[in-house]
Amino acid sequence: AQTVTQSQPEMSVQEAETVTLSCTYDTSESNYYLFWYKQPPSRQMILVIRQEAYKQQNATENRFSVNFQKAAKSFSLKISDSQLGDTAMYFCAFMSSGGLIFGTGTRLQVFP
Amino acid sequence: DGGITQSPKYLFRKEGQNVTLSCEQNLNHDAMYWYRQDPGQGLRLIYYSQIVNDFQKGDIAEGYSVSREKKESFPLTVTSAQKNPTAFYLCASSITTISEEQYFGPGTRLTVT
Repeated sequence: AQTVTQSQPEMSVQEAETVTLSCTYDTSESNYYLFWYKQPPSRQMILVIRQEAYKQQNATENRFSVNFQKAAKSFSLKISDSQLGDTAMYFCAFMSSGGLIFGTGTRLQVFP
Repeated sequence: DGGITQSPKYLFRKEGQNVTLSCEQNLNHDAMYWYRQDPGQGLRLIYYSQIVNDFQKGDIAEGYSVSREKKESFPLTVTSAQKNPTAFYLCASSITTISEEQYFGPGTRLTVT
């Protein structure tokens, strides 16, 4: 069975600094998709970034980038120039046939 | 505006009653999903549907039922057989079930007492 593990329940970072959130997963599939979703206090799930496993190049979306290590089954999220609005729960997710498998999340607090 | 709507935002029921949560999308997506979120946990898949009149069980389908009579609608019924129904329920949709980003609704908080 596929699993997703986020080992950092909580993280904090000062505004304008950089923070990295960790995620590991387990699967026997060779082609798959990985996602980072953000859930602010409103509880709306918002896609942050997506990575296709067959692409070696790490995905980047503005201040957000990933470090995808397929052999190690690692998929970390780097947030550069952190902003107060980045305060949220962050979930790593694996696309299985039929639905997403989520990690337990990392609560990120950005302070001034 | 295209998107996913869930109603109501908060729902209260007495134990032993069935309750139906609404999910509607106007994105013309084929696939729809229901997830459950408990405190301190990630989302867990309850049911998903790839096309109209077809749906599949997810990881925690026991005590739940769904229907998909229209492309736009995917209601979830929480039955009295669900032992711990109090949770936050999220509906999502995607173009297909393979690879595509899932778009989420705002969620419904169900409290059963």
